[in-house]
Amino acid sequence: DAGVTQSPTHLIKTRGQHVTLRCSPISGHKSVSWYQQVLGQGPQFIFQYYEKEERGRGNFPDRFSARQFPNYSSELNVNALLLGDSALYLCASGGHLANTGELFFGEGSRLTVL
Amino acid sequence: DQQVKQNSPSLSVQEGRISILNCDYTNSMFDYFLWYKKYPAEGPTFLISISSIKDKNEDGRFTVFLNKSAKHLSLHIVPSQPGDSAVYFCAASKNNQGGKLIFGQGTELSVKP
Repeated sequence: DAGVTQSPTHLIKTRGQHVTLRCSPISGHKSVSWYQQVLGQGPQFIFQYYEKEERGRGNFPDRFSARQFPNYSSELNVNALLLGDSALYLCASGGHLANTGELFFGEGSRLTVL
Repeated sequence: DQQVKQNSPSLSVQEGRISILNCDYTNSMFDYFLWYKKYPAEGPTFLISISSIKDKNEDGRFTVFLNKSAKHLSLHIVPSQPGDSAVYFCAASKNNQGGKLIFGQGTELSVKP
């Protein structure tokens, strides 16, 4: 079975641009969460979607948005990029055990903003 | 407001000995605590978890201890192996918010042969 897949794996953008990151959860998983990991820190929660509805939002500005599609894949969008948005963006999916916090992470999309 | 803290950025242990990684938290409302392991260029991998109603959970070489009164948990790895070298993250969540994990800063474990 394929794990959580994310694309692209690496990308470089300039300040002010927009970026879209994509995630496909493990087959059968209906919950997708997004995290931002800055170098030297732990992952920080951005969003959770379950059954295409937003279930949680972390302390991030409105420049960050996300959505989940009928096939449970998800997109994270970031507008008006800042240098501080440079980070590893992780997607995680959860199955029937999602409420226990056991999440399965993808390898991440590394975003560099110049 | 760092609700989950790992105060040791790094730990070095000899192969075969015990590795003890520590984690402190401030929010008494957390229901689950988890440990994740992360290798470079990979996403975090779930290792072991513990419910707040328990004080110990064991899985092979890995044991997690929870001290609720001290708001402290620890991960013991016995015996440590070179393949255990990675960054270990402690995380916490509330019931029905399983997709929202609060992570610590991580501890980089190095197991030397």
